[in-house]
Amino acid sequence: GNSVTQMEGPVTLSEEAFLTINCTYTATGYPSLFWYVQYPGEGLQLLLKATKADDKGSNKGFEATYRKETTSFHLEKGSVQVSDSAVYFCALNTGGFKTIFGAGTRLFVKA
Amino acid sequence: EAGVAQSPRYKIIEKRQSVAFWCNPISGHATLYWYQQILGQGPKLLIQFQNNGVVDDSQLPKDRFSAERLKGVDSTLKIQPAKLEDSAVYLCASSEGQAHYEQYFGPGTRLTVT
Repeated sequence: GNSVTQMEGPVTLSEEAFLTINCTYTATGYPSLFWYVQYPGEGLQLLLKATKADDKGSNKGFEATYRKETTSFHLEKGSVQVSDSAVYFCALNTGGFKTIFGAGTRLFVKA
Repeated sequence: EAGVAQSPRYKIIEKRQSVAFWCNPISGHATLYWYQQILGQGPKLLIQFQNNGVVDDSQLPKDRFSAERLKGVDSTLKIQPAKLEDSAVYLCASSEGQAHYEQYFGPGTRLTVT
């Protein structure tokens, strides 16, 4: 079946460090891929998405490239800020009804 | 544009009691989702509505959980009777359509069953 695997957290970085959060998936067909972010006390919100192979989604300095050959959608940011501290969820949808979410990766950024 | 509204934000009940959650989606969004998010896990879809019809309730424990979406707008999710393992955050989300559309989430209701 369809599934999403994320690196386990928490990830702790100093401000201005480079961030990578790994995400790999298993899916039939050609899924759309998403990164959602959940700030403390808030609901999830879409950070970026990619709908086909080799697409790059980007938003707020975050990027992720849809790699079909490695079934990956790793999230990256060149210089993190304290305000980026949150839980990040990778997700996929194969065009059916259900979006599958990963377990989430908690990021702490220290000043 | 108003976001997805949920109430209550927090609820504490004893096992075997019943509880209901309410969700008001973004105006005009045809698709509404209820998710269960257990601590340390990603959201798990419980039920998905397209307008007022159910399109997926395969992971809804139907012996104790029920949900409805009257007139294709607001929705309620009910648990009766609650079990300890129902302690979780219940998230409501809505989207313009299905599949590749962005989902907009409410703040969630944190349920504690004692």
